[in-house]
Amino acid sequence: EPEVTQTPSHQVTQMGQEVILRCVPISNHLYFYWYRQILGQKVEFLVSFYNNEISEKSEIFDDQFSVERPDGSNFTLKIRSTKLEDSAMYFCASSEFLTGGNEQFFGPGTRLTVL
Amino acid sequence: GENVEQHPSTLSVQEGDSAVIKCTYSDSASNYFPWYKQELGKRPQLIIDIRSNVGEKKDQRIAVTLNKTAKHFSLHITETQPEDSAVYFCAASPYGQNFVFGPGTRLSVLP
Repeated sequence: EPEVTQTPSHQVTQMGQEVILRCVPISNHLYFYWYRQILGQKVEFLVSFYNNEISEKSEIFDDQFSVERPDGSNFTLKIRSTKLEDSAMYFCASSEFLTGGNEQFFGPGTRLTVL
Repeated sequence: GENVEQHPSTLSVQEGDSAVIKCTYSDSASNYFPWYKQELGKRPQLIIDIRSNVGEKKDQRIAVTLNKTAKHFSLHITETQPEDSAVYFCAASPYGQNFVFGPGTRLSVLP
């Protein structure tokens, strides 16, 4: 069964550094998402992406964040200047259709630790 | 925007008993309500979902009920097993928008 994959599984960085988290969505899916989960808390929506542009973003997704689909398979989340409070598990998800009716498949996550 | 609340935050049941987790949502435009199970250190995985045109859905030991008038939906797990122990998240999705998750319920099934 196809799965969403993410790399790296764990990223440690210094405050102020840039990080890029990578995701490979399921190949026939058209909608892509980033979520984050601070340890012990709920999953929070960051951004959704469709047709090579952002379709929606949350208040968390400020100017420090950007997303890109650099080729036909990868979907990346970049944090330009990391802060301590960016430490969290970041999940990529993809779905075939609009979220109003279809399952989002989650990747295994990237644990980001900002020191 | 949408706000999803979830209760209880923790739930302990004896193996074989039933577990019920309840969620409420605020946006009447929400029309899709998935439930995800997350085991420690793993990704959330969909276990059941329901759309707003349906009041109840069942899949083996798992069922979900939806009351659109009251804006609440519930997860029911019968004959619980130790492997059901996990954190369960409900979510609501206004059409064309993204999931808003509840804060989660940590379910412990005691042998």
